[in-house]
Amino acid sequence: AQSVSQHNHHVILSEAASLELGCNYSYGGTVNLFWYVQYPGQHLQLLLKYFSGDPLVKGIKGFEAEFIKSKFSFNLRKPSVQWSDTAEYFCAVTPVGDYKLSFGAGTTVTVRA
Amino acid sequence: NAGVMQNPRHLVRRRGQEARLRCSPMKGHSHVYWYRQLPEEGLKFMVYLQKENIIDESGMPKERFSAEFPKEGPSILRIQQVVRGDSAAYFCASSPSKTEAFFGQGTRLTVV
Repeated sequence: AQSVSQHNHHVILSEAASLELGCNYSYGGTVNLFWYVQYPGQHLQLLLKYFSGDPLVKGIKGFEAEFIKSKFSFNLRKPSVQWSDTAEYFCAVTPVGDYKLSFGAGTTVTVRA
Repeated sequence: NAGVMQNPRHLVRRRGQEARLRCSPMKGHSHVYWYRQLPEEGLKFMVYLQKENIIDESGMPKERFSAEFPKEGPSILRIQQVVRGDSAAYFCASSPSKTEAFFGQGTRLTVV
C-alpha cells in the first residue's frame, strides 16, 4: 500500500511571502498525484493534479507543483501568497487506474496580513 | 451544478447512539466514496459505492459501520453504537467514473 508524507504540520507566513509545501510518497508503480485545499468552512477542492506529461503542473489560484519521480516528491509552490490562501492543504496519491486516494496528514497554512 | 452535499455539517452523539451521515453526489455522478479523517491524520478511504452496489468496502471497520447508495436518494454512512474513537471528520466524494473525485464539506462527528 502507498503512503504519503507531508513535511510540515503548520506553516505561518506573511502576505507576499513564497510558499512551498513538501509531499513525498512511497509506491513502486506509476501514480497520479493531487493537491487538495480546504478553506475554512468549505469543501475539499482540487488545486491541481498530475497524471502524465510535463512534471511541472499549474493549478488554480497561482499554485504549481513539480513531480520529481526520482525523489518520489510532488511539492506545492506559490511565489507570493495572499491572506485568502489561509487553508489546509492535502497531498494525495493513487496508483494509475485505481480510485482509492491516499492522503497526507495535511498542512495548515496561516497567512498573516 | 451544485457540488457534493453532505449533511449534517456537525453531529453530536452520545456513546451507544447511532449516527447517520448523508451525502448527495453531484448531478450525473454515480460513483460515491467515503473517507474518514481522524485527528492529526490524513483522510483514509472507507468505502466505494455505485448505485445500489458496494464495490469496495476494504476500509470500513468490520463492525458497526455500514454504507448504502440506494437507487433514489443520498448515500448514507451509518455508524451504530458509536464510541469516542468514532469522533472524526467524514468526507464524501463523487465522480462520474473512476477518475477525479469531487469532495463535500465533510461531517464532523463528535461522540460524547
